[in-house]
Amino acid sequence: DVKVTQSSRYLVKRTGEKVFLECVQDMDHENMFWYRQDPGLGLRLIYFSYDVKMKEKGDIPEGYSVSREKKERFSLILESASTNQTSMYLCASRSTEPTTNEKLFFGSGTQLSVL
Amino acid sequence: QQQVKQSPQSLIVQKGGISIINCAYENTAFDYFPWYQQFPGKGPALLIAIRPDVSEKKEGRFTISFNKSAKQFSLHIMDSQPGDSATYFCAASMVGDFPGNQFYFGTGTSLTVIP
Repeated sequence: DVKVTQSSRYLVKRTGEKVFLECVQDMDHENMFWYRQDPGLGLRLIYFSYDVKMKEKGDIPEGYSVSREKKERFSLILESASTNQTSMYLCASRSTEPTTNEKLFFGSGTQLSVL
Repeated sequence: QQQVKQSPQSLIVQKGGISIINCAYENTAFDYFPWYQQFPGKGPALLIAIRPDVSEKKEGRFTISFNKSAKQFSLHIMDSQPGDSATYFCAASMVGDFPGNQFYFGTGTSLTVIP
């Protein structure tokens, strides 16, 4: 089965730090996504990428940027972490194959605390 | 603006009972409606999905009911078990791979099945 690996399960950072969240998928998927999960707010899309070096803003991109230099790797960057970015971050990937492209595969998430 | 509205936020059901989670959407262009299940410490995983050409889809104890005219769909868990305790997310999307196509998630329902 597809494996989406997020580099850290828990992260604690200080306000103002630059934070990198890494995500790697092993199924050669074109599409990759970063979501933020908060209680009562569900999953909100931050950024997504449908090809190497391509990126699109999601619903809440402010304060974030992304990088996709290789097909298997999609990084989320918090340029200057703030306390309101304390959250669970989920990476996901999706195939473009017609028979399977509706399915999102998620990583286990990174719980980020900004102090 | 929330594209998909989900209720209830939390649900407690006795073992053997029926769990029902409801979702509603506005965009009639949506034509794919999945449900994702998330256990603590894990990322969401696809549970079951439906397209609007059918009104019901059943997989084991899990059933999606779909009402196209009302723009509503629901998840029914029959004979609920403690192992079903998880957070459930409904979502909506459009079938097909094209830039900008994304999943819109509901806010989630925390289900607890008590023995």
